[in-house]
Amino acid sequence: QQQVKQSPQSLIVQKGGIPIINCAYENTAFDYFPWYQQFPGKGPALLIAIRPDVSEKKEGRFTISFNKSAKQFSLHIMDSQPGDSATYFCAAITSGGSYIPTFGRGTSLIVHP
Amino acid sequence: NAGVTQTPKFRILKIGQSMTLQCAQDMNHNYMYWYRQDPGMGLKLIYYSVGAGITDKGEVPNGYNVSRSTTEDFPLRLELAAPSQTSVYFCASSYSGVGDSPLHFGNGTRLTVT
Repeated sequence: QQQVKQSPQSLIVQKGGIPIINCAYENTAFDYFPWYQQFPGKGPALLIAIRPDVSEKKEGRFTISFNKSAKQFSLHIMDSQPGDSATYFCAAITSGGSYIPTFGRGTSLIVHP
Repeated sequence: NAGVTQTPKFRILKIGQSMTLQCAQDMNHNYMYWYRQDPGMGLKLIYYSVGAGITDKGEVPNGYNVSRSTTEDFPLRLELAAPSQTSVYFCASSYSGVGDSPLHFGNGTRLTVT
């Protein structure tokens, strides 16, 4: 059973486009939602995170949108660059539980010059 | 700080062989984790530890063992390697188990079992 569903599996955009990656969850006990970015040959690294008490968070060109009622959250990359080409993972955590992140399956993003 | 260091970077094993994947962190983090990453399947948790001497199973522990004798080291042991264990293995650590304590990952070990 997949607790965090991530889509699409892969995404190709042109430079300057706005790729959007979506995640959905079922467990309402999740209360922290980080996104990790992974470049080829490297381990994932924290990119941006959000708590469900806010509907949006921006850090530079990266924005998380959060819809608590729909149990969905998404990552938007504004003015995407070839250097943003990477795999992106969403995750969900229950702070009052085991604290172990549940990861989505990942989205491979390619930004063409 | 080196962060999380994994060795080796690559390894080829024959079916039935054993090996230990090494992981060390120099950030004095209490929590450490082992994940495997397979194409299109995301990150699957194998084992984790909340401190020296304490380990627990994750989602896919079969065929693996771990130990945590020090805060810094968290080796993963594969006994009787099988082709299904061909994967990229990532070790990670975090300061605490609180939700906003990010995971710091190593650069992975790519293992092929033939």
